[in-house]
Amino acid sequence: GAGVSQSPSNKVTEKGKDVELRCDPISGHTALYWYRQSLGQGLEFLIYFQGNSAPDKSGLPSDRFSAERTGGSVSTLTIQRTQQEDSAVYLCASSPGGTGDVEAFFGQGTRLTVV
Amino acid sequence: GQSLEQPSEVTAVEGAIVQINCTYQTSGFYGLSWYQQHDGGAPTFLSYNGLDGLEETGRFSSFLSRSDSYGYLLLQELQMKDSASYFCAAISGGYNKLIFGAGTRLAVHP
Repeated sequence: GAGVSQSPSNKVTEKGKDVELRCDPISGHTALYWYRQSLGQGLEFLIYFQGNSAPDKSGLPSDRFSAERTGGSVSTLTIQRTQQEDSAVYLCASSPGGTGDVEAFFGQGTRLTVV
Repeated sequence: GQSLEQPSEVTAVEGAIVQINCTYQTSGFYGLSWYQQHDGGAPTFLSYNGLDGLEETGRFSSFLSRSDSYGYLLLQELQMKDSASYFCAAISGGYNKLIFGAGTRLAVHP
């Protein structure tokens, strides 16, 4: 596709359930980011993948959160035993990843609601 | 740690000029970007400063001073459609890690 694609666009889940959020980056982009945005708030960094390097997981809020990126392309963010405070929009972005390739392209996000 | 500070809200009238400031503390700083986000939408890239000075793109300009760890976004000839949130974002490290500020909500009034 032409842009970053995220699925599902909306997810309602019961507290305690696990959820998986998917991100398809722009083809050829080596850098991939996950952010979390609560209503009216900023973008909270979660995790960053760059090529074959070890991901920067410094933003993951707890060990209930994990992410992987298979084959340097599609990424999945998994939240285990969801809590109500996990409710937010989860945004994925990708960029070419080269030095000086600074523009990040965002998907439309997945709105997660934990009830 | 890494942090970026920007005002939470700015209000202006159509046709005016507004400046949104951003100060940062980040290790391995590489450059400063600006993004726009309309309500319910995804952030979109506006500009990037890798070097000190002013970058101009149409009605929008962005400035960076590395010695002051400071930058700003200047919006001229404001239009109603400019009402949105604006985020500064620091690029750091060797691989373009991107950290965002909390955002500035701009309201443009007639």
